[in-house]
Amino acid sequence: DADVTQTPRNRITKTGKRIMLECSQTKGHDRMYWYRQDPGLGLRLIYYSFDVKDINKGEISDGYSVSRQAQAKFSLSLESAIPNQTALYFCATSDFRGRQFFGPGTRLTVL
Amino acid sequence: ELKVEQNPLFLSMQEGKNYTIYCNYSTTSDRLYWYRQDPGKSLESLFVLLSNGAVKQEGRLMASLDTKARLSTLHITAAVHDLSATYFCAVATFTNFGNEKLTFGTGTRLTIIP
Repeated sequence: DADVTQTPRNRITKTGKRIMLECSQTKGHDRMYWYRQDPGLGLRLIYYSFDVKDINKGEISDGYSVSRQAQAKFSLSLESAIPNQTALYFCATSDFRGRQFFGPGTRLTVL
Repeated sequence: ELKVEQNPLFLSMQEGKNYTIYCNYSTTSDRLYWYRQDPGKSLESLFVLLSNGAVKQEGRLMASLDTKARLSTLHITAAVHDLSATYFCAVATFTNFGNEKLTFGTGTRLTIIP
């Protein structure tokens, strides 16, 4: 079984809808991250959490929110989706050594 | 704000040739990662470079870090088709509490031509 899983893997939605992307991990890591990937822009950090009680904004947090329900679960929400949030979203985890392990990604399309 | 620049952004090379991908960054850091991404796939960790002068090698790939020059290189030796992928560098910075964040470069899309 994969160590970092994301659901759904693909989602098509309409402008204005609320969307939640979920991430679960079995690696036992405290640190979890959400990134978005756009062509030609690499990965950009949306939010990160270093433990259950810690939530931090990344470089592009506007329009997004997160919830760390447990050590193993970190959800990303788009409160009112807009077309420029169409992207590939990755969840990642890391331990104290820092190396990050990525989930398979969620491809989100906002029409 | 930390800037991480990779070049080239696109690279087509023939099998058997050597080439180098460069990763420049704008602030002090002594920890850098290289990742590989195949089309439609997730990111796979290749190397972790933890200090100035660090060099890591795996097969036909070798990565190095020069923290004084704020430069890392990923060298490809005698390229083979299986190395076709997008390669990202990511520079680590630390929060006030000592927790690590990564800033990614834009990626280098490498295509190996038979």
